[in-house]
Amino acid sequence: GQQVQQSPASLVLQEGENAELQCNFSSTATQLQWFYQSPGGSLVSLLSNPSGTKHTGRLTSTTVTKERRSSLHISSSQTTDSGTYLCAIGHSGTYQRFGTGTKLQVVP
Amino acid sequence: DMKVTQMPRYLIKRMGENVLLECGQDMSHETMYWYRQDPGLGLQLIYISYDVDSNSEGDIPKGYRVSRKKREHFSLILDSAKTNQTSVYFCASSWGQYQDTQYFGPGTRLLVL
Repeated sequence: GQQVQQSPASLVLQEGENAELQCNFSSTATQLQWFYQSPGGSLVSLLSNPSGTKHTGRLTSTTVTKERRSSLHISSSQTTDSGTYLCAIGHSGTYQRFGTGTKLQVVP
Repeated sequence: DMKVTQMPRYLIKRMGENVLLECGQDMSHETMYWYRQDPGLGLQLIYISYDVDSNSEGDIPKGYRVSRKKREHFSLILDSAKTNQTSVYFCASSWGQYQDTQYFGPGTRLLVL
């Protein structure tokens, strides 16, 4: 089945620094989503980006489908960005599978 | 207000007892999901439901069953719970199959003693 690898597993940043999170997957994806899980556990979808580059607020996702990788760039990190970022991959005709996430801690 | 609810939020059961986790959504989404999340393993799909009485196994269905009799409700049942089913369970819903954005509930923390 589809394998999803995220790196780094954890990351500590000073407030204001930028973060770069990676997601690599084992087979061609037709759907890719980034999710944020708060320290309290709630999960929200950040953006969907199966190919190319997509921006929303301080987030930029770049997916290179044929290289089976996606990145999530967080600019000017804030303490409220702390949490776990999950990547989920799907391909045509099957449900998405999740990576184990990158745990981000932004310190003042 | 687009919302996915889960009940209960916390549950303690003894091994061998039956467990019922409930999920509701107010968006008329066709597709609903049950996941469990364990440290180091991420979110694993237990069951997916494409509509009323149209359910399919996910990656880890063993020990679980589901029921969907109304579009807005999706239940997860553990018959004779086991200690290795201690986990956090998330329900989610989406408009269509597979590719659409999923909306998650707040999760249920289940402890099986």
